Amino acid sequence: AQSVTQPDIHITVSEGASLELRCNYSYGATPYLFWYVQSPGQGLQLLLKYFSGDTLVQGIKGFEAEFKRSQSSFNLRKPSVHWSDAAEYFCAVSGYSGGGADGLTFGKGTHLIIQP
Amino acid sequence: DVKVTQSSRYLVKRTGEKVFLECVQDMDHENMFWYRQDPGLGLRLIYFSYDVKMKEKGDIPEGYSVSREKKERFSLILESASTNQTSMYLCASSFQGRGIYEQYFGPGTRLTVT
Repeated sequence: AQSVTQPDIHITVSEGASLELRCNYSYGATPYLFWYVQSPGQGLQLLLKYFSGDTLVQGIKGFEAEFKRSQSSFNLRKPSVHWSDAAEYFCAVSGYSGGGADGLTFGKGTHLIIQP
Repeated sequence: DVKVTQSSRYLVKRTGEKVFLECVQDMDHENMFWYRQDPGLGLRLIYFSYDVKMKEKGDIPEGYSVSREKKERFSLILESASTNQTSMYLCASSFQGRGIYEQYFGPGTRLTVT
């Protein structure tokens, strides 16, 4: 069974500082990986996704993530955070089921706090 | 823009009541999903559907059922609500085909069972 681990429950970063959120996955085949963000009281918004090809993927809001197969990781990064980045971040993995639906398996989330 | 809407943002029900949560998407997506979100547990898949009248159990289907009579609408049913079903419920939808498509989420329904 696939699984996702986000080792950091909370992270506090100063505004303007760089950010890295960790994500490790377990999946038997080539994974499909996603990062979502959830602002308070909102649904989830997709930040970026990795299916294949270039292992460094760019997303919205200045975020990027790097897929490292050897480490089973898909860490999210941003060079300079803004106060509006304070939110809950979820890493998720999915497998390809031959064209059928496939639910996502989510990590438990990392709560990002931005210090002024 | 893809739009996934959920019938209520907040809902309060009594133990034993039958509860319906409705989800509608406007992008002609084949796949629809129901998740519940709890602090410290992340999101967990309850049920999903890949076609009208088709459904598959997710990781935590106990105590829930679903209905998909039309492509754009996916309902989650709590036959007899219990306090341990107090949670945030999120609906999502996606395209289907040769590959994996991202899921688009609704704003969520926060259900409290008293």
